[in-house]
Amino acid sequence: KNEVEQSPQNLTAQEGEFITINCSYSVGISALHWLQQHPGGGIVSLFMLSSGKKKHGRLIATINIQEKHSSLHITASHPRDSAVYICAVGGTSGSRLTFGEGTQLTVNP
Amino acid sequence: DAGVTQSPTHLIKTRGQHVTLRCSPISGHKSVSWYQQVLGQGPQFIFQYYEKEERGRGNFPDRFSARQFPNYSSELNVNALLLGDSALYLCASSLSWGSYEQYFGPGTRLTVT
Repeated sequence: KNEVEQSPQNLTAQEGEFITINCSYSVGISALHWLQQHPGGGIVSLFMLSSGKKKHGRLIATINIQEKHSSLHITASHPRDSAVYICAVGGTSGSRLTFGEGTQLTVNP
Repeated sequence: DAGVTQSPTHLIKTRGQHVTLRCSPISGHKSVSWYQQVLGQGPQFIFQYYEKEERGRGNFPDRFSARQFPNYSSELNVNALLLGDSALYLCASSLSWGSYEQYFGPGTRLTVT
């Protein structure tokens, strides 16, 4: 079993839909990251969380430390949101991150 | 201010050859981490360097090595390349060894034929 599990693996939505991507982890963490990766590879950090909830534009990230679970929500989805979304956790061993497999999101117009 | 830079962006090598990938961190960042991302999978941790010393190593064979220079830039070296080494190699910089925030470079896509 992977230390970081994401669901779903693939997600197709219509423009305007509300989207949720889930991440569960099995190790103690110092912080959880949500990252976005577009075709071509570059990774952009969306959020870093250690507790509670963060919001940036149409993106919302929440984390429940007790349940070891985090969610990334996208409101009013748009085709430009199409990308791979990756959950990664940082433990207590330096800055090393452990990544989930990623969720491929496709938003159709 | 420049972000994390990596070179080259793309590289094609033959089995058995050696490759060197380079990374320059954000100015002021003293830690560099290397990750390997095989197609369709999440990145896997290879190394972390801080203040020119190896501070963490993932589950990779000894064919993989790295170093960090006095200006905090870093090189990742892979010897005796295998087909399975084909991947996107990502570099991430952070202020220090235990910094939560990491900033990723664009990656180097290595193809081994």
